Amino acid sequence: DVKVTQSSRYLVKRTGEKVFLECVQDMDHENMFWYRQDPGLGLRLIYFSYDVKMKEKGDIPEGYSVSREKKERFSLILESASTNQTSMYLCASSSPGSASTDTQYFGPGTRLTVL
Amino acid sequence: AQKITQTQPGMFVQEKEAVTLDCTYDTSDPSYGLFWYKQPSSGEMIFLIYQGSYDQQNATEGRYSLNFQKARKSANLVISASQLGDSAMYFCAMRPHTGNQFYFGTGTSLTVIP
Repeated sequence: DVKVTQSSRYLVKRTGEKVFLECVQDMDHENMFWYRQDPGLGLRLIYFSYDVKMKEKGDIPEGYSVSREKKERFSLILESASTNQTSMYLCASSSPGSASTDTQYFGPGTRLTVL
Repeated sequence: AQKITQTQPGMFVQEKEAVTLDCTYDTSDPSYGLFWYKQPSSGEMIFLIYQGSYDQQNATEGRYSLNFQKARKSANLVISASQLGDSAMYFCAMRPHTGNQFYFGTGTSLTVIP
């Protein structure tokens, strides 16, 4: 059974803290993604990675960075958390882009609150 | 530019009735995939159904079917015989053949009424 896991379901941090969100997949997928989900805005892509140590900016990369040192692990980093980064964060993985038939597989999400 | 539009923020349906959730898309890619996902209140996104842009027939998966009208660039999800467990957010997404990125709509919240 395919699996994408995220390090926390719920997280509460203070403004200015450095926050790490981790995502691990066991499907040997090349592509991994970080999304932010807010009511009425749907899923917005923050960053994605198509290989180890490779990354590309999505639609809203400001205030975030990512790290992919191993194929199965993709980390999202909030260098200095701010209240407007309070949101639901979803990680996903998928097969390479040559197959548009392949779906993304999602983790359970991390609900982050920044106070 | 790629864009997915879901114009129904919220929908209600009576249990055991059918419901259609709308999705239109815009892309210049000749080849692409269309996906629907369900997100219950627990938060996890669940893949429901896929339609390829060159598929001649509409996709079906159990109670889910996709009404694909390529010329209109629409990919509506039809849920037949609604159940209380169908209450959730539903997202339409597109993946162009060229590229790794998925593009999502803003979602439709479906409530099934007993």
